[in-house]
Amino acid sequence: GAVVSQHPSRVICKSGTSVKIECRSLDFQATTMFWYRQFPKQSLMLMATSNEGSKATYEQGVEKDKFLINHASLTLSTLTVTSAHPEDSSFYICSASSGTGVYQPQHFGDGTRLSIL
Amino acid sequence: DAKTTQPPSMDCAEGRAANLPCNHSTISGNEYVYWYRQIHSQGPQYIIHGLKNNETNEMASLIITEDRKSSTLILPHATLRDTAVYYCIVRVARGTYKYIFGTGTRLKVLA
Repeated sequence: GAVVSQHPSRVICKSGTSVKIECRSLDFQATTMFWYRQFPKQSLMLMATSNEGSKATYEQGVEKDKFLINHASLTLSTLTVTSAHPEDSSFYICSASSGTGVYQPQHFGDGTRLSIL
Repeated sequence: DAKTTQPPSMDCAEGRAANLPCNHSTISGNEYVYWYRQIHSQGPQYIIHGLKNNETNEMASLIITEDRKSSTLILPHATLRDTAVYYCIVRVARGTYKYIFGTGTRLKVLA
């Protein structure tokens, strides 16, 4: 149980393109999902918290107009990188908590490797 | 938010127990400790979590000191597949309950 699926796993596109990444909780409902970014040989950096039916909460320094987050249902959150540039190339990972208890662990997707040419 | 400190790297012989320490001296009374590992180019995998009692599951054991200022993750019989970066996280116990990842410990299991 507690499976989180991310799609696509890898995307390569030209500079200026907008890219959408999907995060789905397959066997549980997630009112809150989280989006992280990870550069090579570095730790995960939280970008934003995605709340079903409301606006996302962005961490300091993360441009909300650049990284659009939509959480339209209890099983799906999307991250859109708008007008992507080479510096946006990174490993993007989502997570979600199963269960209703606030101490339930987060479960992570397998990430999306984004390469902007 | 509580911060965690972990050694940057460790080696362990295959078949031996791997003991990964974590310091979280500013942990609050209602904050849990979570352990994850990340194998190259994958998302983090949940291992175990606990509040103040020792915990054990099919993957590992978690030992939390009585003052809760540190913990140790124990992989009882390490295999080559346990080579990964291990993260100790103290979850923010308010608001959105988000994780803040530290730098983790890169565990290398040696044949």
